[in-house]
Amino acid sequence: GAGVSQSPSNKVTEKGKDVELRCDPISGHTALYWYRQRLGQGLEFLIYFQGNSAPDKSGLPSDRFSAERTGESVSTLTIQRTQQEDSAVYLCASSQYLSQGTGYTFGSGTRLTVV
Amino acid sequence: QQQVKQSPQSLIVQKGGISIINCAYENTAFDYFPWYQQFPGKGPALLIAIRPDVSEKKEGRFTISFNKSAKQFSLHIMDSQPGDSATYFCAARGYGGSQGNLIFGKGTKLSVKP
Repeated sequence: GAGVSQSPSNKVTEKGKDVELRCDPISGHTALYWYRQRLGQGLEFLIYFQGNSAPDKSGLPSDRFSAERTGESVSTLTIQRTQQEDSAVYLCASSQYLSQGTGYTFGSGTRLTVV
Repeated sequence: QQQVKQSPQSLIVQKGGISIINCAYENTAFDYFPWYQQFPGKGPALLIAIRPDVSEKKEGRFTISFNKSAKQFSLHIMDSQPGDSATYFCAARGYGGSQGNLIFGKGTKLSVKP
């Protein structure tokens, strides 16, 4: 597609429920990143994928968070047993090459609210 | 923990004025320094970027100044316009390999008054 697509754009869930957030990167982009942005805060790195290499999961805040990516296409971020502190905008970005200094293209994010 | 420190947290500038946002980093292994612009409800968009082998890069009204010895870089917006009102993030990236992810500053909310 023309840009990075994320769905849903908004998600309200009850505490304790599981949620899945989806990211469709730009076609041909081998690298895909997930970031979390809490209200009024910067972007917190969560995880990235590069081609078929093992993902870098070093930013995931707890074992309730996991992500998968099928080849060089769609990625899903899953949050199990959601907590109120998980409320944030979850941003996905993709780039053409991991090791090149090219900019990321971000999606518009999924705003998650845990009530 | 690698960090990028950004200031000020918020900035109000009159139309036509110069907006200046500063960032400092700690890790000398960073090799790429982009700035992102984010409007409400949208994801950040790449605005301008610089590598440490140059001291300044200009694109239209936007200029990055880079001071390698001080480990600081700044964004200057000349002739600021109300349409520039947004949140700006500086970022830094480590050398290749497994350090491909960007480390972001906490952002600066810029308001340009007409």
